[in-house]
Amino acid sequence: DAGVTQSPTHLIKTRGQQVTLRCSPKSGHDTVSWYQQALGQGPQFIFQYYEEEERQRGNFPDRFSGHQFPNYSSELNVNALLLGDSALYLCAGASAGGRHYEQYFGPGTRLTVT
Amino acid sequence: LAKTTQPISMDSYEGQEVNITCSHNNIATNDYITWYQQFPSQGPRFIIQGYKTKVTNEVASLFIPADRKSSTLSLPRVSLSDTAVYYCLVGGNQGGKLIFGQGTELSVKP
Repeated sequence: DAGVTQSPTHLIKTRGQQVTLRCSPKSGHDTVSWYQQALGQGPQFIFQYYEEEERQRGNFPDRFSGHQFPNYSSELNVNALLLGDSALYLCAGASAGGRHYEQYFGPGTRLTVT
Repeated sequence: LAKTTQPISMDSYEGQEVNITCSHNNIATNDYITWYQQFPSQGPRFIIQGYKTKVTNEVASLFIPADRKSSTLSLPRVSLSDTAVYYCLVGGNQGGKLIFGQGTELSVKP
């Protein structure tokens, strides 16, 4: 158990709708990253938050946005959902002062867009 | 960022030692090599990280030759519960994203 929680576990949305996913990193971790994992593929980096600001961003459109709260928890928002947004969404926590390659992942939120 | 190449799948039997090799010809001087394990419907889990020679922990060993253009993850005496996808990642240890490839799907049979 990596100590990272994500909610909800599963979600079904309709094309064009908006969705918010939530993540609480392990205690002591102040950096949160979000990844999208399509079936049969490796996770793809969406963005990373530190000190409530987006620090890095992957190759994802502006429909994907996020937020980090003072308690280090984070949200991922996706607007105008497309069928291709169906995937497992993972968040990962890390310590800014630690090795960033040692990240702790949550179980993910399975999003299905119909 | 260095690109990695690893076998798409491997089969093994319980009790055997499994070696998964990853090729990373363009590794940079300050890059580390990290391996993650992922079970179905779970997030990836950090296994081991190294820079050169050999690193061992309670789960696995990581062998890195002198030229660092490849690395081998060694899992001793695998069990059915080691069936998972294993990812090799290469990059620096200062802030930022993890770059995952397709990984190696390891199937352990009884």
